[in-house]
Amino acid sequence: ILNVEQSPQSLHVQEGDSTNFTCSFPSSNFYALHWYRWETAKSPEALFVMTLNGDEKKKGRISATLNTKEGYSYLYIKGSQPEDSATYLCASDNAGNNRKLIWGLGTSLAVNP
Amino acid sequence: NAGVTQTPKFRVLKTGQSMTLLCAQDMNHEYMYWYRQDPGMGLRLIHYSVGEGTTAKGEVPDGYNVSRLKKQNFLLGLESAAPSQTSVYFCASRGGLGQFFGPGTRLTVL
Repeated sequence: ILNVEQSPQSLHVQEGDSTNFTCSFPSSNFYALHWYRWETAKSPEALFVMTLNGDEKKKGRISATLNTKEGYSYLYIKGSQPEDSATYLCASDNAGNNRKLIWGLGTSLAVNP
Repeated sequence: NAGVTQTPKFRVLKTGQSMTLLCAQDMNHEYMYWYRQDPGMGLRLIHYSVGEGTTAKGEVPDGYNVSRLKKQNFLLGLESAAPSQTSVYFCASRGGLGQFFGPGTRLTVL
């Protein structure tokens, strides 16, 4: 069974704190790992797509790393701001799955001012 | 480019009524998807299409039908709506590696 697990399920931090979340995914037939940011009442927006073991991506204060051999990815937010409050989803793209993504349930982040 | 659009944005149905949700994309993407999103359940794939004229079942296809007569459009139909189909429905299309999502349709079935 192909499954994507995210932890923690939810997180409350203070403005200025740095934080990180974990995504574990099936490493067999790995093709790509996606991170999305999903604000309440909006639709998911792509943050990163990573394909290579050891990949690191960065967008402003948000960065992500990828370990395809052990099947995990970390998302880091440096100096959290209230506008970072959202659910962060990861999804695994594995070969042979007909280009369907396997979605995690997300980590819900609340940043208190 | 409008990206991915969905109509309608909101709809209230009575049990047993039928309706069609329309998804349109102007990015010439081959792959399109319909998801539903329910509290605590994450995104669940209903049906998807790998190209014009093709459709396939996802995780939760029962009670839904789809059609992809034109590459840019992917229609999701509910023949006889049930309260269990109350949800937010998202359409997405895929070009390259990433999926691009529409704004969602909030459907309530009474």
